[in-house]
Amino acid sequence: GQQLNQSPQSMFIQEGEDVSMNCTSSSIFNTWLWYKQDPGEGPVLLIALYKAGELTSNGRLTAQFGITRKDSFLNISASIPSDVGIYFCAGQGFSGGSNYKLTFGKGTLLTVNP
Amino acid sequence: GAVVSQHPSRVICKSGTSVKIECRSLDFQATTMFWYRQFPKQSLMLMATSNEGSKATYEQGVEKDKFLINHASLTLSTLTVTSAHPEDSSFYICSAVAGGYNEQFFGPGTRLTVL
Repeated sequence: GQQLNQSPQSMFIQEGEDVSMNCTSSSIFNTWLWYKQDPGEGPVLLIALYKAGELTSNGRLTAQFGITRKDSFLNISASIPSDVGIYFCAGQGFSGGSNYKLTFGKGTLLTVNP
Repeated sequence: GAVVSQHPSRVICKSGTSVKIECRSLDFQATTMFWYRQFPKQSLMLMATSNEGSKATYEQGVEKDKFLINHASLTLSTLTVTSAHPEDSSFYICSAVAGGYNEQFFGPGTRLTVL
């Protein structure tokens, strides 16, 4: 089956610091997505990437879709306490598979110390 | 727009009973809905894909007779956990896709605890 390797598993940073996390895959995906999940809630979409090499920003968040379509990174600049949560990467749409199905990474737990 | 709700948000039941969880798309018609299960400190694992008016497609290792899925309308899908056991305790999350689009909109999840 499809597998996404997400790292790091957890991060503990000081408020104001920048943070970076990444995902790699053994398969090519048509779309890469980054979600944030707060405790006891469903995931919320942060950024969607559709084109190889695409670099997209959403406020303090920046994400890039790798040229090979097998990797992506997410950067958060000037972290604030409300950035705390679990960040998941997800791949969607792979060759021979469904256009809709998402394959999730294992998540990165981010803790921001005020 | 694109709001998905789940009911109930939390449920506690006794072992051996059945529990029904509802997933609704509030402001769009969902041609496809997905059901995920998430154990503590783990990722979301897809259980099944539900298309309106047809049988659900289950992922490998998911028992279709234990996790009954019904998608009878374009705004409602239900997941029934039959004869629940403590190992079924988990966070169940649904998502919905509008026709012609790929983006999945997630519900807030349902915490199931089986005693």
